[in-house]
Amino acid sequence: KAGVTQTPRYLIKTRGQQVTLSCSPISGHRSVSWYQQTPGQGLQFLFEYFSETQRNKGNFPGRFSGRQFSNSRSEMNVSTLELGDSALYLCASSLDGVDEQFFGPGTRLTVL
Amino acid sequence: AQSVTQPDIHITVSEGASLELRCNYSYGATPYLFWYVQSPGQGLQLLLKYFSGDTLVQGIKGFEAEFKRSQSSFNLRKPSVHWSDAAEYFCAVGRKAAGNKLTFGGGTRVLVKP
Repeated sequence: KAGVTQTPRYLIKTRGQQVTLSCSPISGHRSVSWYQQTPGQGLQFLFEYFSETQRNKGNFPGRFSGRQFSNSRSEMNVSTLELGDSALYLCASSLDGVDEQFFGPGTRLTVL
Repeated sequence: AQSVTQPDIHITVSEGASLELRCNYSYGATPYLFWYVQSPGQGLQLLLKYFSGDTLVQGIKGFEAEFKRSQSSFNLRKPSVHWSDAAEYFCAVGRKAAGNKLTFGGGTRVLVKP
């Protein structure tokens, strides 16, 4: 069974631009969560989508948004990029409820 | 709000020696507890989880963890460390009402000396 895939793996953007990251969960998994990982703040929860609905949201500004499609694939978007948005963005999928989450390799975003 | 503390930022251990990583959490009810490992440039891999039942949990790669409610702790242990165990380890807490939202500790980086 294929694992969680994230595309692209690396991105370089400049301040003010926007970016879209993609996550394909493990087949059959309906929950997709996003996390931001930085050296200063560690791993922080962004949001979770389940059956195309946002089920949970972390404490991030509205510039961070996401969505989930009917095939459970998810995208997250960051608008008006700031230097502080440079991070590893991790996607995780699980079947349902509070369950084991399987993480993808992440997308490394660098904002210049 | 729930929180997770991993007091040790770095730990250096000799190959073959035992390893214990500390994790303390703050949460009103019984949380769901997890330990993840992250190798450089990689995502997170689940080592083990505790939802309920036996407080001593066995995981992959020879790791185990013990849930101690009285101490709000969930420490990770391995009796004999291998060089491939060098990585960063994260403790995380979740709760049923929060779906799959996990709160992570700051992580402990483990270095293994030959």
